[in-house]
Amino acid sequence: ETGVTQTPRHLVMGMTNKKSLKCEQHLGHNAMYWYKQSAKKPLELMFVYNFKEQTENNSVPSRFSPECPNSSHLFLHLHTLQPEDSALYLCASSQVGGSETQYFGPGTRLLVL
Amino acid sequence: GENVEQHPSTLSVQEGDSAVIKCTYSDSASNYFPWYKQELGKGPQLIIDIRSNVGEKKDQRIAVTLNKTAKHFSLHITETQPEDSAVYFCAAPFGNEKLTFGTGTRLTIIP
Repeated sequence: ETGVTQTPRHLVMGMTNKKSLKCEQHLGHNAMYWYKQSAKKPLELMFVYNFKEQTENNSVPSRFSPECPNSSHLFLHLHTLQPEDSALYLCASSQVGGSETQYFGPGTRLLVL
Repeated sequence: GENVEQHPSTLSVQEGDSAVIKCTYSDSASNYFPWYKQELGKGPQLIIDIRSNVGEKKDQRIAVTLNKTAKHFSLHITETQPEDSAVYFCAAPFGNEKLTFGTGTRLTIIP
């Protein structure tokens, strides 16, 4: 266990559904990240939060909406997704700074029908 | 931004032999280079990292070497075992908050 948990582990949703992914870290970190991992592509950084403030939005479509109520919890709200959004969504946490080790959760495998 | 290239994309090694995976990066200011291992159904797990003030770091069967002049770093796994089969990712930082990841190497250990 890395100290980063994600729920649900698997999710199937239709294009008109609304769902949320949850991430929680128990490491005392103050930075949290959402990544998208698709087959045969590098990990794509989606959002970065430092001390609960969003500091990075990597040109992510508005159908993905992050929320960080505190330094330990991170959500990704999903609505009107497309089939090409099917992927593994990974959450990570670290101390603030690009040279700090990031610890990943197990991911949520999302399938959009 | 930071560009990280990783080779090879797939690697098959006989059990007991060594495996080497190489990465190059573009940002000369990068000073931290982690390696992650991702097993099926799991998120990436840090296995070793190196900072720019050293040229090599070892942890049992795993080692990482760094050549800052040439801007490349490599992962070395010796005496490979079946449980080493996984996808391995290198990464390098870009800016103050971001890691850029390589495209991954699928390592298969042949019993």
